[in-house]
Amino acid sequence: GAVVSQHPSRVICKSGTSVKIECRSLDFQATTMFWYRQFPKQSLMLMATSNEGSKATYEQGVEKDKFLINHASLTLSTLTVTSAHPEDSSFYICSAPGWGGSYEQYFGPGTRLTVT
Amino acid sequence: GENVEQHPSTLSVQEGDSAVIKCTYSDSASNYFPWYKQELGKGPQLIIDIRSNVGEKKDQRIAVTLNKTAKHFSLHITETQPEDSAVYFCAASVSGYALNFGKGTSLLVTP
Repeated sequence: GAVVSQHPSRVICKSGTSVKIECRSLDFQATTMFWYRQFPKQSLMLMATSNEGSKATYEQGVEKDKFLINHASLTLSTLTVTSAHPEDSSFYICSAPGWGGSYEQYFGPGTRLTVT
Repeated sequence: GENVEQHPSTLSVQEGDSAVIKCTYSDSASNYFPWYKQELGKGPQLIIDIRSNVGEKKDQRIAVTLNKTAKHFSLHITETQPEDSAVYFCAASVSGYALNFGKGTSLLVTP
């Protein structure tokens, strides 16, 4: 089946620095990708929709200047957390939708961000 | 927007028993309802899904039922095994677009 990878799997950064997370579709092209955030013992919350060749669409309450999304190619979307703070520590997960009439979404393994 | 409610939040069953998790949704436009299993520190894994044109779907020990009129859908796991222990999420979406997740059910299967 379709595979989505994320890099890095874990990252620790200092408060005030920026960190970039990559999401790649390995064997298919994705014009759209989704970014979710999951706090401990909570559900996945959609942050934004990443669109290849155009601006990302952010959910209400998500700061677009803080969470920069770039969909550089049909297989790569990046999420950059700028000026990270401890409250940004979370599990970030991306997904890419299926194709050819499939509604399935393919999830990456997630990235654990810890801001100290 | 879509609101997905999931119950129970925790469920403990004995090995071999059945487990049932229920979800309701609010947006009548939603037509795709997947269920995910998530293990600690990993991304969600699709275990079964159903579209709104179908009332029931089964895959070995796992089944999902959908009642469009009442806007609720349920996950049924039979003959539970300890390796079924995980957090399960239901979700709803319109045609496979962005998913709205329930809050999750922590399932514990005791030997």
